[in-house]
Amino acid sequence: KQEVTQIPAALSVPEGENLVLNCSFTDSAIYNLQWFRQDPGKGLTSLLLIQSSQREQTSGRLNASLDKSSGRSTLYIAASQPGDSATYLCAVRLSSGNTGKLIFGQGTTLQVKP
Amino acid sequence: DAGVIQSPRHEVTEMGQEVTLRCKPISGHDYLFWYRQTMMRGLELLIYFNNNVPIDDSGMPEDRFSAKMPNASFSTLKIQPSEPRDSAVYFCASSSGPPTNEKLFFGSGTQLSVL
Repeated sequence: KQEVTQIPAALSVPEGENLVLNCSFTDSAIYNLQWFRQDPGKGLTSLLLIQSSQREQTSGRLNASLDKSSGRSTLYIAASQPGDSATYLCAVRLSSGNTGKLIFGQGTTLQVKP
Repeated sequence: DAGVIQSPRHEVTEMGQEVTLRCKPISGHDYLFWYRQTMMRGLELLIYFNNNVPIDDSGMPEDRFSAKMPNASFSTLKIQPSEPRDSAVYFCASSSGPPTNEKLFFGSGTQLSVL
């Protein structure tokens, strides 16, 4: 059974710091991995989608990497800003069986202090 | 585009009552998903549709839950009768192509409280 774990559960950093969020999954048979952002009381916003054949994706100050063989992904946020404060979730899509299903981690809640 | 639109934003009801949640996907998106989020279990897929047809409903908790998609621009998730353990945030999401390739776009969710 695929399990997705995110560590740490919460993180607080001063503005301007570079930071890394971690995501690990138990079954390397995935189609892709997505990173989402969730603001309090809001839905999820897809940030980056990495296909299983890719190693990384970049969007602005965000860079996501994927090491499928080791079951790990990282989300790197450069020069963090208070507006980056949110919960970040990673989710994997299985490559067999129900490929319509995303398996989510519990998220890392990030606070960037001015 | 206005994005995925869900209604109501908040719903408070009493145990035993019927609850209907509504979703309008992004125009042109032919995949629609219903997710539920709780503190204990995180985000869970309940059901998803492709071209208005239910593809997988294995995540629907029990027979009290039902979902329909009568046309490409509207879907409902119904709970009858509702129970306190159904209290959660229910999200609708849509995508423009196969979920293996495309990003998922989420609505703002419906916060359901069953007393």
